[in-house]
Amino acid sequence: GQQVMQIPQYQHVQEGEDFTTYCNSSTTLSNIQWYKQRPGGHPVFLIQLVKSGEVKKQKRLTFQFGEAKKNSSLHITATQTTDVGTYFCAGPTTSGTYKYIFGTGTRLKVLA
Amino acid sequence: DVKVTQSSRYLVKRTGEKVFLECVQDMDHENMFWYRQDPGLGLRLIYFSYDVKMKEKGDIPEGYSVSREKKERFSLILESASTNQTSMYLCASSRPQGGGNTIYFGEGSWLTVV
Repeated sequence: GQQVMQIPQYQHVQEGEDFTTYCNSSTTLSNIQWYKQRPGGHPVFLIQLVKSGEVKKQKRLTFQFGEAKKNSSLHITATQTTDVGTYFCAGPTTSGTYKYIFGTGTRLKVLA
Repeated sequence: DVKVTQSSRYLVKRTGEKVFLECVQDMDHENMFWYRQDPGLGLRLIYFSYDVKMKEKGDIPEGYSVSREKKERFSLILESASTNQTSMYLCASSRPQGGGNTIYFGEGSWLTVV
């Protein structure tokens, strides 16, 4: 069945270091979304990428959608303690564009 | 701002009890979802509804049912709770945006079955 995998599962970084999480889909995606979940909180929508090779930036966060539209990455430059949380990618399922399949998530800890 | 409200944040239920998790959204969204979140497994879709009285099974529907009698309300029902249903349950709604569907989550309901 359709799968969306993320690596790494966990990452600990020193404050100020960069961080990257990678998302890989078993199928081509029409779009990919990223969500952030703070500890004890719920996932919150960050961004959506639609075009092949698309790159979007939100302050220190850079999101990329692969040329084949099967992978994506989120890169955080100079992490801060406020970046702590779990980052999920999500893509529409092959059975319906309203339904999204979520990656397993990358849990980021930032050490001050 | 979109608001998805889950009525119960923390519940403790006994094995075999019937459990209702209620969810209300205030933005007139067509689509509503119930996800389950477990460590290392991410978010898994239990059920999905694209309209009133319409429902569709997700990836892990066994042991669950849903009800959508009104557009703004989507309920998850555990007919006979079991310990392996101890988890965090997330309700969500979505709207079309920019070629996709942006998902808005509630704050989650932590269910412990003893």
